[in-house]
Amino acid sequence: AQKVTQAQTEISVVEKEDVTLDCVYETRDTTYYLFWYKQPPSGELVFLIRRNSFDEQNEISGRYSWNFQKSTSSFNFTITASQVVDSAVYFCALSERVDGNFNKFYFGSGTKLNVKP
Amino acid sequence: DTGVSQNPRHKITKRGQNVTFRCDPISEHNRLYWYRQTLGQGPEFLTYFQNEAQLEKSRLLSDRFSAERPKGSFSTLEIQRTEQGDSAMYLCASSFGSTNEKLLFGSGTQLSVL
Repeated sequence: AQKVTQAQTEISVVEKEDVTLDCVYETRDTTYYLFWYKQPPSGELVFLIRRNSFDEQNEISGRYSWNFQKSTSSFNFTITASQVVDSAVYFCALSERVDGNFNKFYFGSGTKLNVKP
Repeated sequence: DTGVSQNPRHKITKRGQNVTFRCDPISEHNRLYWYRQTLGQGPEFLTYFQNEAQLEKSRLLSDRFSAERPKGSFSTLEIQRTEQGDSAMYLCASSFGSTNEKLLFGSGTQLSVL
């Protein structure tokens, strides 16, 4: 079973529209971390946010906001007033402690966001 | 902080050849990870180093794959007798080991096996 599911393979919006990228995760751990990364065409995965399992407060950073809901095992990402530069593949990831010294990261399959001018 | 550096950016090779990739992590980071990413998929874990010790390897890492991190600094990933199925983006990430670590990635090496 997938640990991290990003059901939206590709989304296209017109500039200035708001868009939400969905992420559903699966874990039995009580302590875990959730992440979003952005992968522009250049290929490098850019870290956007980290959230721990005990902090369900929503977070806003400029045009970006994240909604973490443990009850539905979801960690959704919203971009407000999208811009062409937001076009990229976005990955959601889950980090679990495997043993005393190793965090294993599981990535979703990504959502490709196309923002058209 | 110059970020995680990977070389080469692109590698084209013929089936059966050996290839080696290099990763230079952020200098103060003690953990180093290798991931593989195929088209339309997220990164998949290959192996992990804590300083110079290789502590975890994925089942994805066949006997043809070997990774080293001498002296706990840069790392190399070698693929022997490459196969077409090895074509992928190979990503390196590093972190400063902690419970709430975040991975910082390099730009990757895109391998094409003809």
